[in-house]
Amino acid sequence: EPEVTQTPSHQVTQMGQEVILRCVPISNHLYFYWYRQILGQKVEFLVSFYNNEISEKSEIFDDQFSVERPDGSNFTLKIRSTKLEDSAMYFCASKRGQGINEQFFGPGTRLTVL
Amino acid sequence: EDQVTQSPEALRLQEGESSSLNCSYTVSGLRGLFWYRQDPGKGPEFLFTLYSAGEEKEKERLKATLTKKESFLHITAPKPEDSATYLCAVQAWDTGNQFYFGTGTSLTVIP
Repeated sequence: EPEVTQTPSHQVTQMGQEVILRCVPISNHLYFYWYRQILGQKVEFLVSFYNNEISEKSEIFDDQFSVERPDGSNFTLKIRSTKLEDSAMYFCASKRGQGINEQFFGPGTRLTVL
Repeated sequence: EDQVTQSPEALRLQEGESSSLNCSYTVSGLRGLFWYRQDPGKGPEFLFTLYSAGEEKEKERLKATLTKKESFLHITAPKPEDSATYLCAVQAWDTGNQFYFGTGTSLTVIP
């Protein structure tokens, strides 16, 4: 069964460093998302991406964040200058099309900022 | 802001002891309500989508129902492998494709 994959599974970085989290959505899906989950808290929406542009973003998704679909399979989240409070699980999700609402999530990347 | 509240926060059941999890929501126009299962350190795993009051969906020992203000996830004769956190998420017509998640119910089924 097709699934969303994410790499790396765990990323440790120093405060102020740039990180790129990578995702491979399900191959015939057209809508892509990033969410984050701080330990013990709820899953929070960051950004949605469709047709090579951001369609929605939350207040969390400030100028330090960016997303890109560099090729036909990868979807990346970049954090330019990480802060301690960026430590969280980051989940990528995808959905097939306009009339299909279910989002399918990847296993997540645990980001630890020291 | 749209709100999703799940209760209880944690639930311990004996194997075979049926129960229900609650998800209350306040959105201006519900586009869909989604149930997910999350195992520790893993991503949410899709279970059900519900769109309108009165709708029900079933899968093995799980049944999800929806009213105009809340949804229930009924677990019938649970097994230890049903132990997980169950997340509820809602999608509203006026906020596009994003999901609003609740904090989840942590279910433990004791053999």
